[in-house]
Amino acid sequence: DTGVSQDPRHKITKRGQNVTFRCDPISEHNRLYWYRQTLGQGPEFLTYFQNEAQLEKSRLLSDRFSAERPKGSFSTLEIQRTEQGDSAMYLCASSQGTFTYNEQFFGPGTRLTVL
Amino acid sequence: AQTVTQSQPEMSVQEAETVTLSCTYDTSESDYYLFWYKQPPSRQMILVIRQEAYKQQNATENRFSVNFQKAAKSFSLKISDSQLGDAAMYFCACTETSGSRLTFGEGTQLTVNP
Repeated sequence: DTGVSQDPRHKITKRGQNVTFRCDPISEHNRLYWYRQTLGQGPEFLTYFQNEAQLEKSRLLSDRFSAERPKGSFSTLEIQRTEQGDSAMYLCASSQGTFTYNEQFFGPGTRLTVL
Repeated sequence: AQTVTQSQPEMSVQEAETVTLSCTYDTSESDYYLFWYKQPPSRQMILVIRQEAYKQQNATENRFSVNFQKAAKSFSLKISDSQLGDAAMYFCACTETSGSRLTFGEGTQLTVNP
């Protein structure tokens, strides 16, 4: 068990470009979450998957954002036409089981800077 | 909708002393869970302690304990015998039993002075 991993750890892009982040959850964890954390703030929920099904999306997740979890394993988060306001740390977490109180294990995050 | 508020942006404590971090929350649900997460500098977030709202007994994990006041919607974290490794950003979080997301507070930056 190597924990939740995220790639890349840092991404610098120009406004208007598309970016894609990857998250590999702990094996056998069926729930996967995406959060966004801006400097000095707590993480904000974006979306979550149970296996391959995307069950909930936050209003924060505009139509420029899309997330997938094919085959219920790793997940990708894509941001199209990036804006400077998208600059943030994107955190992925996974948990085992279907109960909300199950501990969410967080990855190290992907820090996005949009110039 | 649930909200979580941490009114102390920064706290400091002397090594070996005790410190208490405050958190208030609001939720319309009767069943929910409360958490304290620790985020060390440049490291990933880890769970410190968890409290089930239906339990009256306060949760404890070694040097960490909570004071859960359900009527007041208050959930404070007490760290006893503070160690240098406790220095981190601490986040209070809430999740409803029927939901999925964690709702986090703004965080409290804890400094431990040697």
